[in-house]
Amino acid sequence: ETGVTQTPRHLVMGMTNKKSLKCEQHLGHNAMYWYKQSAKKPLELMFVYSLEERVENNSVPSRFSPECPNSSHLFLHLHTLQPEDSALYLCASSQDRWDLNTEAFFGQGTRLTVV
Amino acid sequence: DAKTTQPNSMESNEEEPVHLPCNHSTISGTDYIHWYRQLPSQGPEYVIHGLTSNVNNRMASLAIAEDRKSSTLILHRATLRDAAVYYCILRDGTYNNNDMRFGAGTRLTVKP
Repeated sequence: ETGVTQTPRHLVMGMTNKKSLKCEQHLGHNAMYWYKQSAKKPLELMFVYSLEERVENNSVPSRFSPECPNSSHLFLHLHTLQPEDSALYLCASSQDRWDLNTEAFFGQGTRLTVV
Repeated sequence: DAKTTQPNSMESNEEEPVHLPCNHSTISGTDYIHWYRQLPSQGPEYVIHGLTSNVNNRMASLAIAEDRKSSTLILHRATLRDAAVYYCILRDGTYNNNDMRFGAGTRLTVKP
């Protein structure tokens, strides 16, 4: 238990579906992150939120749409995905994006399969 | 970007020490060295981090070379539960590039 909770743990969706991934932390952290981990590839940083403001978008396709309504919650809205988007999606949080002397906490991830 | 180089895989015997190396020859003076590990079917978890001096915590020790161009994560007595992928990450001290970016890491196998 890391204090970062992701739901659902597993998701199967069709290419025309719309779904959302949820991430929640009550650690009092100000920064939240979405990562994608495809099979046999390193984790890829997708989005960074700092104080509820999106500060980084690493050339992620628009079919992925993040939302951070408050500092404790982070969503990833999914729309018209492709099979190659099947992956483990990981959420993380840290106290402060700019403090290099602190650790990040990761959720257990959502295993997404696009059919 | 400052980058790290790690062996793809290593093996260890249970209850023996493990030394996981990481090269970061382009490290700058403000970069922190972080280590995370990812157990099967889980998200990464923090192990240890440091800047210049060696560090110890309940999980591991971090030995940093004097020139900071390399570091070693030390697990003092490997257990079967330590089998994981270990990531060495530089957290860049420059303003716009300090988010954690992962490489391929080292897959550690622990044999009973």
